[in-house]
Amino acid sequence: ETGVTQTPRHLVMGMTNKKSLKCEQHLGHNAMYWYKQSAKKPLELMFVYSLEERVENNSVPSRFSPECPNSSHLFLHLHTLQPEDSALYLCASSQDWASPGYEQYFGPGTRLTVT
Amino acid sequence: GQNIDQPTEMTATEGAIVQINCTYQTSGFNGLFWYQQHAGEAPTFLSYNVLDGLEEKGRFSSFLSRSKGYSYLLLKELQMKDSASYLCASMDSNYQLIWGAGTKLIIKP
Repeated sequence: ETGVTQTPRHLVMGMTNKKSLKCEQHLGHNAMYWYKQSAKKPLELMFVYSLEERVENNSVPSRFSPECPNSSHLFLHLHTLQPEDSALYLCASSQDWASPGYEQYFGPGTRLTVT
Repeated sequence: GQNIDQPTEMTATEGAIVQINCTYQTSGFNGLFWYQQHAGEAPTFLSYNVLDGLEEKGRFSSFLSRSKGYSYLLLKELQMKDSASYLCASMDSNYQLIWGAGTKLIIKP
């Protein structure tokens, strides 16, 4: 496997369910990101991890809980979601955090539908 | 506040040239990125500009004017596979990417 992978690709969950999204990067990068992408809206940065430490948390509701056990893996734990949380969730990685010029490499995303 | 503006949708003809504009207002500036995103796929990096001027990469070029808070992506010799959304993002003083909503480019034969 190369690049950034995400599982599952599609997820349908009820408002009372608990599920997790998984991201893995095979690029040897030090920074990983979670984004939310809703139709016709800009990408919203949710969380940033640098060397397994959370460095940014952009006012994300507590029903989203990130976990970064090592520099290659990133999880997003979901519980008690709302229908407006339905979106594409993208994981990305970059060589470093807080350095200009390093592009981010994105995974294919998880299409989440909350019913 | 921080803001990125780009057109919602553009249409162009196969073989032609199209210019996608982006204006940005961010707290500080550490460069301007362009990404391409095909429907249902991940965004992929196209270009990065931090100095004024034009950067050329094959059929794609990107321009930056820091004094005007303005960038454009120029696509030449358009091909059907160029039909995609093009995302403009400015890196602010905290090294966060501030994204535009994307420009959907439709290529017609």
